[in-house]
Amino acid sequence: RKEVEQDPGPFNVPEGATVAFNCTYSNSASQSFFWYRQDCRKEPKLLMSVYSSGNEDGRFTAQLNRASQYISLLIRDSKLSDSATYLCAVNPGGGADGLTFGKGTHLIIQP
Amino acid sequence: NAGVMQNPRHLVRRRGQEARLRCSPMKGHSHVYWYRQLPEEGLKFMVYLQKENIIDESGMPKERFSAEFPKEGPSILRIQQVVRGDSAAYFCASSPSAALNSPLHFGNGTRLTVT
Repeated sequence: RKEVEQDPGPFNVPEGATVAFNCTYSNSASQSFFWYRQDCRKEPKLLMSVYSSGNEDGRFTAQLNRASQYISLLIRDSKLSDSATYLCAVNPGGGADGLTFGKGTHLIIQP
Repeated sequence: NAGVMQNPRHLVRRRGQEARLRCSPMKGHSHVYWYRQLPEEGLKFMVYLQKENIIDESGMPKERFSAEFPKEGPSILRIQQVVRGDSAAYFCASSPSAALNSPLHFGNGTRLTVT
């Protein structure tokens, strides 16, 4: 399985700020992309899918850059409750099934 | 609509014993995936199953680990003769189809501790 890489952080961000982080993938044949959120000792939960044209869900915006093989997540007006680990997930395509996950980026929102 | 159900939540085994982890997918989902997460590590794919078939087991260790998803009942991940290095969180996920844009929905995991 091909690699998916993320900056582990932690990103320490004041409440109300905007924060963005990227995830790079090595397999150019990758077909679909997702962001998951994982709280400490909990299961990953789907945050949003990432579409080719970019997509927004409330304070969250996801972008895909196929040429440079990365996806990004931007969080506006960050809340204390946004503190978590954000996992990027890629379906590598090419007949492989399931998702390949990055190790996650740890985000800490500070009051 | 119940989500992915895993049990037990916590499992303690002594070295050499067997661990059996169970996963019932979401209603209507016929695709099951098992992942392992070591402390401070990412999710590592282990195996992908559909009913009665193993589709991809490229992430499974060659020895001691096996998985099944019978026609009736939950998917089972079985670890024989556990060792300390098997201590981890094991997550099961399901999806309704193998479509490329189909996300996975995770259960709350089984935390295995080998003493």
